[in-house]
Amino acid sequence: GAGVSQTPSNKVTEKGKYVELRCDPISGHTALYWYRQSLGQGPEFLIYFQGTGAADDSGLPNDRFFAVRPEGSVSTLKIQRTERGDSAVYLCASSSAGTTGELFFGEGSRLTVL
Amino acid sequence: DQQVKQNSPSLSVQEGRISILNCDYTNSMFDYFLWYKKYPAEGPTFLISISSIKDKNEDGRFTVFLNKSAKHLSLHIVPSQPGDSAVYFCAASADTDKLIFGTGTRLQVFP
Repeated sequence: GAGVSQTPSNKVTEKGKYVELRCDPISGHTALYWYRQSLGQGPEFLIYFQGTGAADDSGLPNDRFFAVRPEGSVSTLKIQRTERGDSAVYLCASSSAGTTGELFFGEGSRLTVL
Repeated sequence: DQQVKQNSPSLSVQEGRISILNCDYTNSMFDYFLWYKKYPAEGPTFLISISSIKDKNEDGRFTVFLNKSAKHLSLHIVPSQPGDSAVYFCAASADTDKLIFGTGTRLQVFP
């Protein structure tokens, strides 16, 4: 596709459930990022992949959060035992190697934990 | 610890006038700065950037100024247009490709 695609666009779940959010980056982009944006805040860094490996996962808030990118393209963010505080818009972005800092964002997945 | 700060949550400007959005940072290791624009229900889109070796970068109606000694940057939009109404995020990186974002400033341009 032309841009970064994220599914689902909206997800409502109950506290304690497991959630997966998917990101399909721009074709050819080797770097992939996950950010989380809470109401009234800016995007908060979660994890960054270069190819298949997580180059920096320092933003993951705790071990309930995990992300994979097994073939270096599509990535899945996994959240176990969801809590109400996990409610946010989860943004995925990709960039090409050598593009310093400029990220291309998807429209986000809005997660609501009841 | 908020490393990138946008102290004005909102700004209202008349069409045709200049909009000035401000951003302060605390990390002296930041060497690349960007502005992103976000419309409701869309992801942020890149607007303009500046490297720490420069103090000004211009692209059409948009100019970013960097004052490294003050750890301050600003985005100037002139002339402002109603379509510029959006939330603007300042972001910075320290050569790691991990962007740190500010909390955003909502700009409203009225006729």
